[in-house]
Amino acid sequence: QVQLQESGPGLVEPSETLSLTCTVSGASISTGGYYWSWIRQQPGKDLEWIGNIYYSGSTNYNPSLKSRITISVDASKNQFSLKLNSVTAADTAVYYCARDHQHWYFDPWGRGTLVTVSS
Amino acid sequence: QLTQSPSSLSASVGDRVTITCRASEGISSYLVWYQQKPGKAPNLLIYTSSTLPSGVPSRFSGSGSGTDFTFTISSLQPEDFATYYCQQIHTYPYTFGQGTMVEIK
Repeated sequence: QVQLQESGPGLVEPSETLSLTCTVSGASISTGGYYWSWIRQQPGKDLEWIGNIYYSGSTNYNPSLKSRITISVDASKNQFSLKLNSVTAADTAVYYCARDHQHWYFDPWGRGTLVTVSS
Repeated sequence: QLTQSPSSLSASVGDRVTITCRASEGISSYLVWYQQKPGKAPNLLIYTSSTLPSGVPSRFSGSGSGTDFTFTISSLQPEDFATYYCQQIHTYPYTFGQGTMVEIK
């Protein structure tokens, strides 16, 4: 059974960099065949796709965030990561990672982690 | 861009519920439906507009192609009270609808 788990600081100061890691268990990122996505949900708002990565390092980013995000993969640790720089209160959200069956669906999802941007 | 409607609805157990999702451009059948309960991650219900993954009850169904899509719960059950989202997975950036909250009447 494939499981994903997000980890990282729950509180980030404005203008700093938000860093999250998603650890995958029950499957190997380096096997290929799937992308790995980050999605966020601001409080009481809709889901927003942030971007994805393939095990090779190939990425796709949401243009609305592209200038501030970096998604990377560490296949040796079976992890992929998100960095979002210059954060503001508008970046406060629950951040999810998910296995991305490219052009099919996202499944499974991690449980999500709340990141609050505040001083 | 996806426009989902209604944004909320009230229904009773046993009711038939229908939610629509309209894409601003044609997306063939690359449309996904998820269910999200409070404090939980979204859960896959339907993909390629009408395909149910293994384990998803048959009371859920989807249809449509191009720009207009429909999601239906044939007989609402207590565990179905949740928020439902559509997602287009045809073109980057992937986008989600605004969600439909299904509440108890």
